[in-house]
Amino acid sequence: DTEVTQTPKHLVMGMTNKKSLKCEQHMGHRAMYWYKQKAKKPPELMFVYSYEKLSINESVPSRFSPECPNSSLLNLHLHALQPEDSALYLCASSQGTSNSETQYFGPGTRLLVL
Amino acid sequence: QKEVEQNSGPLSVPEGAIASLNCTYSDRGSQSFFWYRQYSGKSPELIMFIYSNGDKEDGRFTAQLNKASQYVSLLIRDSQPSDSATYLCAVPLFYNQGGKLIFGQGTELSVKP
Repeated sequence: DTEVTQTPKHLVMGMTNKKSLKCEQHMGHRAMYWYKQKAKKPPELMFVYSYEKLSINESVPSRFSPECPNSSLLNLHLHALQPEDSALYLCASSQGTSNSETQYFGPGTRLLVL
Repeated sequence: QKEVEQNSGPLSVPEGAIASLNCTYSDRGSQSFFWYRQYSGKSPELIMFIYSNGDKEDGRFTAQLNKASQYVSLLIRDSQPSDSATYLCAVPLFYNQGGKLIFGQGTELSVKP
C-alpha cells in the first residue's frame, strides 16, 4: 500500500482565518514533505520532516507552520494567508531521505484564499 | 542552483505513436532520476525510477539515462489518449539531513485519438 491521505480535499478561507491541513501515511515512512503547486508549475518544496524533526524549511513565510505530531501524521497550520497563497498543497512521504527514495504524493488539498 | 529542464510542450502525438519526453539536468553528480505523471487537477504519481546508464523498461514505458550527456528521457510506446497528462522529470537533492525533489517544468502530452 503506497497511500498518502490528505484532508480536506478543498478549503476556502479568508485572510483572517486559521485553518489546518492534515496528512497521514501508514507505510512506516520516516520522511514527510509539504509541497506547494501553482497552476501550470511544478511542485515547490516547503518543508521536510525526517524522523519527526524539521530538517528543511525552504524559507517559507511564518504564516505557514508545519507540525509533525508523530511518524504517521503531518499538519500544516495556516494563519493570515494572502490570496497569492491559493494553490494545491501536496503532502508526500518516503522511506528515508536518500537519493534513491521514492516520494509518494497524497491527492492534495486545493486551497483558495479570499 | 541545480537545474532540471524539460520542453514544456504541449507535445501532441497520434494514438498508437511513440511519445518521446526529454529532460536535461545541470548537476553532473546526480545519481538517480524520477519520472512522475500528473493528470490535470491530480497529484503526481510515479512512473519510473532510473539510476543506471542505459534503458529501463516497464510495460509501455522506457526510461533512458545518459549520465555523460546529462539527459534522461521517457518513451511511451503505443500512446493512448489516457496517457494525456503532464510528465515531470525530477532529480533528488540531499542536504541538511533531508532531501527534496528538483522538478523540471513538466512536459504536457496530448495523445489524439
